[in-house]
Amino acid sequence: QVQLVQSGAEVAKPGASVKVSCKASGYSFSDYYIHWVRQAPGQGLEWVGWINPKSGGTNYAREFHGSVAMTRDTSTTTVYMELSSLRSDDTAVYYCARDLYTRSRGGWNYYFDYWGQGTLVTVSS
Amino acid sequence: DIQMTQSPSSLSASVGDRVTIACRASENIGSYLNWYQQKPGKAPNLLIYGASNLHSGVPSRFSGSGFGTDFTLTISGLQPEDFATYYCQQSHSTLRSFGQGTKLEIK
Repeated sequence: QVQLVQSGAEVAKPGASVKVSCKASGYSFSDYYIHWVRQAPGQGLEWVGWINPKSGGTNYAREFHGSVAMTRDTSTTTVYMELSSLRSDDTAVYYCARDLYTRSRGGWNYYFDYWGQGTLVTVSS
Repeated sequence: DIQMTQSPSSLSASVGDRVTIACRASENIGSYLNWYQQKPGKAPNLLIYGASNLHSGVPSRFSGSGFGTDFTLTISGLQPEDFATYYCQQSHSTLRSFGQGTKLEIK
């Protein structure tokens, strides 16, 4: 069965970096992009970016350019998201999600069908 | 970037009610619109993809409609387990975006 298992909670100081992992299993790792989504306490879902596990190519939301880096290790079917220059407002739960695609009349539908359990990153001095 | 706006932000309803949540895109996204349900402390779950396609295992009381810029999620015959927060998301652009969410509460 498809599973995305994320690493445990992190506590970091302002200005530091953290690296969160998302291990995929139960499907062909290279076939589906992995996206990251952020949720600050009591707030809504915010899209962070995606990584193509096959090529390593990435694309980030404008507000995360320069502060986020996504990588992958195909040998362990794991994707990573490194958050740098952390600020207190980066405190949030970070989710990874698989981007499934299915044929539609006009092209392809893309949607997040499996999610990781979430990783809480707390930024505090 | 495509902005997604949901209305209302919160909604009170009773078990058995029919409720509708609206989602508007800042530009034409065709039918590339998904709906998710999230309960406190849990990851979101996919309900509807491609504006109107019910994801596997999702009860038929959930339905979606719309095209272009205006979309709706309808829940017919609310059940106790449906009280949650709902998000729309566009997948027309490679830069995905979510609506701000609609919290459905028990009246």
